[in-house]
Amino acid sequence: DIQMTQSPASLSASLGETVTIQCQASEDIYSGLAWYQQKPGKSPQLLIYGASSLQDGVPSRFSGSGSGTQYSLKISSMQTEDEGVYFCQQGLKYPLTFGSGTKLEIK
Amino acid sequence: EVQLVESGGGLVQPGRSLKLSCAASGFTFSNYGMAWVRQTPTKGLEWVASISTGGGNTYYRDSVKGRFTISRDNAKNTQYLQMDSLRSEDTATYYCARQDYYSGDDWYFDFWGPGTMVTVSS
Repeated sequence: DIQMTQSPASLSASLGETVTIQCQASEDIYSGLAWYQQKPGKSPQLLIYGASSLQDGVPSRFSGSGSGTQYSLKISSMQTEDEGVYFCQQGLKYPLTFGSGTKLEIK
Repeated sequence: EVQLVESGGGLVQPGRSLKLSCAASGFTFSNYGMAWVRQTPTKGLEWVASISTGGGNTYYRDSVKGRFTISRDNAKNTQYLQMDSLRSEDTATYYCARQDYYSGDDWYFDFWGPGTMVTVSS
């Protein structure tokens, strides 16, 4: 199975600050990487697919990048509504696997 | 508007069965693969099973193979997860998700239901 390692496990950011979350795959996943945001009591919502393609309706302050085994999600200007838990997911091979999540809070 | 609504969760004893349903609306159901993903506080998000558009191809995580069966009824816009021989470690919130792909072998979940809780306990 492809293991997905996310870092950091948690972070706090000030309003307007740029935030970066990292995700490392245990093998090359050829940009088969998605990012999700989950708010308390809600289901995950897709932000990014194909490592860098923005899902419809997602604010442009979210962006994804990376290749090979290393990927990142960037929030260019932290907003209050960006608080939540962020997960990465590899989509290259079954079993599809998720990272353990990064909890993002407002400082 | 895409909507996915799960039902069928609840409390069940170990070794017993439960069947989850997911009613879909707002899109052409038969054009999309579908999946079940579960979540617990300790294990996080776990993909459980996927099914192709016509139902001819199914995929399972190892821990549920032989116990769970994913299926779909395109005439009813509904997918199912039959869970047999349930174990305590199957306790989780189960999400129905629409599965799409990008440039071939790149699967992701673009819409999720609100989830249904399954508790396996005596």
